[in-house]
Amino acid sequence: DAEITQSPRHKITETGRQVTLACHQTWNHNNMFWYRQDLGHGLRLIHYSYGVQDTNKGEVSDGYSVSRSNTEDLPLTLESAASSQTSVYFCASSEAGPGELFFGEGSRLTVL
Amino acid sequence: QKEVEQNSGPLSVPEGAIASLNCTYSDRGSQSFFWYRQYSGKSPELIMFIYSNGDKEDGRFTAQLNKASQYVSLLIRDSQPSDSATYLCAPLPQRGKFQFGAGTQVVVTP
Repeated sequence: DAEITQSPRHKITETGRQVTLACHQTWNHNNMFWYRQDLGHGLRLIHYSYGVQDTNKGEVSDGYSVSRSNTEDLPLTLESAASSQTSVYFCASSEAGPGELFFGEGSRLTVL
Repeated sequence: QKEVEQNSGPLSVPEGAIASLNCTYSDRGSQSFFWYRQYSGKSPELIMFIYSNGDKEDGRFTAQLNKASQYVSLLIRDSQPSDSATYLCAPLPQRGKFQFGAGTQVVVTP
């Protein structure tokens, strides 16, 4: 069965360190998204991609970067982790046309 | 103003009663909407998609879309403890860029 997987599921890091969260989907979806979820804020869009070599900033992109070198993967990098980036991160994907958004299981990141 | 607004709750509903959730949106071009359910500690899952004015029913769930008034609602009939979750509303995006409301937390009390 097609799926979308995130790793690691839990990560504790220190302020200033670089962190990469992986997202891999086997749906062959063109669209991929990264969201963060914090209490009281719902899901906020960080970055998204409509295909290989395409990346776009979402509403809370500062301090984050993504790259899309193939259809299956959209890794999210925190260049210099800050305590404000402690959150639960969800990766999601959808077909190019209008359609459902499929979510990964989430990655809980704690920055100390 | 956010594109999608939801009352964060918590909405406390007695078991067996009807839970009524609302979602208002600012983009008059929005034609269709998704309702996602998210259990605590889990990822969101799709429970309903509505694309036309009026009601759409699926089991105990009914979605209602009113484009003139720019709101979409979700009714949960015969609420069960297993319905306790956060419900997220999202318009179908023009180019796949999903933007969600903050979500309404529903708590079904025995």
